[in-house]
Amino acid sequence: EVQLVESGGGLVQPGGSLRLSCAASGFMFSSYSMNWVRQAPGKGLEWVSYISSSSSTIYYADSVKGRFTISRDNAKNSLYLQMNSLRDEDTAVYYCARDYYGSGSLAFDYWGQGTLVTVSS
Amino acid sequence: QSVLTQPPSVSAAPGQKVTISCSGSSSNIGNNYVSWYQQLPGTAPKLLIYDNNNRPSGIPDRFSGSKSGTSATLGITGLQTGDEANYYCGTWGSSLSAGVFGGGTKLTVL
Repeated sequence: EVQLVESGGGLVQPGGSLRLSCAASGFMFSSYSMNWVRQAPGKGLEWVSYISSSSSTIYYADSVKGRFTISRDNAKNSLYLQMNSLRDEDTAVYYCARDYYGSGSLAFDYWGQGTLVTVSS
Repeated sequence: QSVLTQPPSVSAAPGQKVTISCSGSSSNIGNNYVSWYQQLPGTAPKLLIYDNNNRPSGIPDRFSGSKSGTSATLGITGLQTGDEANYYCGTWGSSLSAGVFGGGTKLTVL
């Protein structure tokens, strides 16, 4: 069974840092591209970042470029999101999501349960 | 404000059909595939449609997708109360280097 479990969320002050983790199991993690998607309270989905299976290709949304860093450790079946210079508007539930293999669209077939990041003083 | 435009809400009676539109531009929908998601309250999104009109295994054929030019449409037939949810369209943006979602549409089954 495919499972994605996020951790690392919590309350942080503006300007602070946080590192999210996503533990993957039940599939060959090293073969799949992965993404982070967030959802502010009561709002819609916002794509945050993408990393290819070998980490050779990485993309970021303009809203987080220069502040967030996506990475992965295929030996540990884990995906990470290092978030620096956090702002109030980064408050959201953060989901890790697996790319749907072979799709050409923004298609994510498995999602974690999400981890809440709250940026507030 | 989202790059892709969806109606905030739609409604229909049980058993009826509903369509949800997603409008973009040549820099996103016009040159890329579209996907659709269903998000039930308090849960993670679920992939319904990928590559414009394909359903992952396990998604009933009551759900369908189409694309024309810079717009896409999700269709749901035989509406059930369990279909009440928020629905989102998504696609890659210009240069395939950034993903974009629509603002979401809340479906009410009356």
